[in-house]
Amino acid sequence: QVQLVQSGAEVKKPGASVKVSCKASGYTFSNFFLHWVRQAPGQGLEWMGMINPVDGSMTYAQKFQGSFTMTWDTSTSTGFMELSSLRSEDAGVFYCARGNMGVVSIPDLIDYWGQGTLVTVSS
Amino acid sequence: SVLTQPPSVSAAPGQNVTISCAGSSSNVVYHYVSWFQQFPGTAPKLLIYDNTRRPSDIPDRFSASKSGTSATLDITGLQTGDAADYYCGTWDGTLGGWVFGGGTTVTVL
Repeated sequence: QVQLVQSGAEVKKPGASVKVSCKASGYTFSNFFLHWVRQAPGQGLEWMGMINPVDGSMTYAQKFQGSFTMTWDTSTSTGFMELSSLRSEDAGVFYCARGNMGVVSIPDLIDYWGQGTLVTVSS
Repeated sequence: SVLTQPPSVSAAPGQNVTISCAGSSSNVVYHYVSWFQQFPGTAPKLLIYDNTRRPSDIPDRFSASKSGTSATLDITGLQTGDAADYYCGTWDGTLGGWVFGGGTTVTVL
């Protein structure tokens, strides 16, 4: 069965960086989009960006361009997202989620989600 | 949020609720809409995809439709276990990314 298992909760100081991992199993990681979604405390879902291992592309939401980096390691079926220069308002739960197969032109499906990683930013 | 949902809906057990999701020609009109269910402290779960389709583990009490710039999620025969937050989401061709509604809290009275 498809599973996305994320790394554990993090507590970081303002200005620091954090890297969250998302290990996939139950499907061929390199064939599917992987999305990252943030949920600020008490707020809704906010799409951050996606990777497509099929063609090596990365697409970032405009809001997160410059402060957020997505990478992946096909050999371990793991996606990563790194937030730098953390501010208190960057805190929240970060989810990875599987999308369509990477050969589609419109990535209009998100089906399986990781359990989420809580990032707290506090001095 | 790019997609507009009512903040909350409520009904008694056994009754029906409808959650709307208003978008535009950049998103809802031309792209498949999905719905997600989220319980407090847990990850969202796919409830509906491709506007109307249910994953095999979702009961048929949950159904959805789309017309023009709006999509709708219907829950029939509301149960106490349906109390959760519900989000619509879809691809936005203008923004070049996914957009979500602000979420609707379903309360079972």
